[in-house]
Amino acid sequence: GENVEQHPSTLSVQEGDSAVIKCTYSDSASNYFPWYKQELGKGPQLIIDIRSNVGEKKDQRIAVTLNKTAKHFSLHITETQPEDSAVYFCAASSNSGYSTLTFGKGTMLLVSP
Amino acid sequence: DVKVTQSSRYLVKRTGEKVFLECVQDMDHENMFWYRQDPGLGLRLIYFSYDVKMKEKGDIPEGYSVSREKKERFSLILESASTNQTSMYLCASSLRGGWAISPLHFGNGTRLTVT
Repeated sequence: GENVEQHPSTLSVQEGDSAVIKCTYSDSASNYFPWYKQELGKGPQLIIDIRSNVGEKKDQRIAVTLNKTAKHFSLHITETQPEDSAVYFCAASSNSGYSTLTFGKGTMLLVSP
Repeated sequence: DVKVTQSSRYLVKRTGEKVFLECVQDMDHENMFWYRQDPGLGLRLIYFSYDVKMKEKGDIPEGYSVSREKKERFSLILESASTNQTSMYLCASSLRGGWAISPLHFGNGTRLTVT
């Protein structure tokens, strides 16, 4: 099945800096790559996603890039703010039988004022 | 907005008890999922369902079962709870799956402690 590796496990930045979280996946047939943000005490919430026919997608301060050849994708957050502090999960769709999502282990992002 | 509601925020159960975790979604989504979240392990799929009365095993189904009698409700059952099932349990739903997989919407989780 699919295997998703996520790095780093923790990331500390100063407010205003950029943050980058990287993921690799194993199944070359995977075609959907979402990113989720989980705040304390809440369930994960989708913040951005990308499909395999697109190389990059932006939404305000957040962007995701996908390199299908290398089987890796990244989340970029610019001009970080304290409210960006949370755990971020990447995921990839598994295409063995019925499609499901396989998640990375998560990155705890801490943005210091 | 999609709402996924998990019936309990916190549960404390004893070893050997039968435990029911309930989840309801209000957006007529086809698919529902149960994940388990543990520190350092991320989210792992236990079971999912793509239709009423249908269920599929995920990556870690051992010790669990599920029930989906109505489209909006998906229950996770621990037949005989054990201490290694102490965890955060997350329910999710999505409009559809298959080749055009759609985003998951998560509930806020049930933190289960088995003593």
